[in-house]
Amino acid sequence: DGGITQSPKYLFRKEGQNVTLSCEQNLNHDAMYWYRQDPGQGLRLIYYSQIVNDFQKGDIAEGYSVSREKKESFPLTVTSAQKNPTAFYLCASSPLAGDSYTFGSGTRLTVV
Amino acid sequence: KNQVEQSPQSLIILEGKNCTLQCNYTVSPFSNLRWYKQDTGRGPVSLTIMTFSENTKSNGRYTATLDADTKQSSLHITASQLSDSASYICVVSKKGGGNKLTFGTGTQLKVEL
Repeated sequence: DGGITQSPKYLFRKEGQNVTLSCEQNLNHDAMYWYRQDPGQGLRLIYYSQIVNDFQKGDIAEGYSVSREKKESFPLTVTSAQKNPTAFYLCASSPLAGDSYTFGSGTRLTVV
Repeated sequence: KNQVEQSPQSLIILEGKNCTLQCNYTVSPFSNLRWYKQDTGRGPVSLTIMTFSENTKSNGRYTATLDADTKQSSLHITASQLSDSASYICVVSKKGGGNKLTFGTGTQLKVEL
């Protein structure tokens, strides 16, 4: 089955540590996205990529970094510079044209 | 500023009853509007997507309406089931904005016995 897989489902991080969230898709989508979801707020875009080896900052990119070395993969690194990293992180993918927009099942990151 | 506002913020209904969720948006120029269902701790799943020319679209017991003139949409759930308990998110896409979306904060629906 085609889909988008995020791992791990739960992640705990100590303050001052970097941590990387995985996102893999086998939908042959060109574009991939990372969102952050906090209680009472709509999803906010962190980074997106429309092609391999290229990505753009979203609305809240500070303290995060990404890479797009393969079409299928778009990992997100939460760095120690992110002041409030505890949140639910969602990865999504879509074709460049068309309406299909698919979300992964999310990773809940908790800073301890 | 492009915004999507949903109401009510939360809703409790009895199993078998109908309910209607509202979405108002200011995103312009408009491309399409989507409704997603998000179970707790899971990713959003698409229910419907409507373009400017579509007034209504159904997906089983879910029926979405769109009034592009007043920039309003609604999601009607018929004969609710316990499994309908979830957050329902309205999402609007801007024409020429690629696939960057503007998300509402969601309506938290709880269906009780």
